[in-house]
Amino acid sequence: EVQLVESGGGLVQPGKSLRLSCAASGFIFDDFAMHWVRHSPGKGLEWVSSISWNSGSVYYADSVKGRFTISRDNAKNSLYLQMNSLRPEDAAFYYCAKDSAPHPGYSNTWGSWGQGTLVTVSS
Amino acid sequence: QSALTQPASVSGSPGQSITISCTGTISDIGSYDLVSWYQHHAGKAPKLLIYEVIKRPSGISDRFSGSKSGNTASLTISGLQAEDEADYYCSSYAGITTYVVFGGGTKLAVL
Repeated sequence: EVQLVESGGGLVQPGKSLRLSCAASGFIFDDFAMHWVRHSPGKGLEWVSSISWNSGSVYYADSVKGRFTISRDNAKNSLYLQMNSLRPEDAAFYYCAKDSAPHPGYSNTWGSWGQGTLVTVSS
Repeated sequence: QSALTQPASVSGSPGQSITISCTGTISDIGSYDLVSWYQHHAGKAPKLLIYEVIKRPSGISDRFSGSKSGNTASLTISGLQAEDEADYYCSSYAGITTYVVFGGGTKLAVL
């Protein structure tokens, strides 16, 4: 059974940093692209970032480009999101999701999601 | 403002059918058959209902169906059940620059 477990969320002041992790199990992690999506009440789901199976291709939403960095460690079956210069509008539940293909954009089929980790940005 | 436009809310009675539209542009829905639909209950993991416009993952009821015409995709839920009350989101691949876009979400009420 595919399992994705996010961690690392919490309360952080504006301008500070946070690193989210997503521990994957139940599938061959390095066969698939992975994604981060966030959800804040009143704003809906928002795609944040994506990474190919071998980290060769990464994508970011304009709203986080230059501040967030996605990465993965296939040896540890883990996905990461380094979030710097956090803003109040970055506050949300952050979900990791598994693609059905090795490269983002091949399928846009994100069949497994974690339960999310909450990021709160406030002074 | 979301890249894909969905109605904010729809409602229906148990047993009825409803359709949720998702309007994009020639740069996303109109160019790629890579539209997905997700069901989201607040605080829970989103669930994939439809992928590649019309396909259903295993385990998803055939009460859920997808379609596309031009720049607009649609999700139809037939035989509405109380458990269908949730938020529904569409997404589409949008090319190498934008990559993926989501709709703003539609809240379904089963009255």
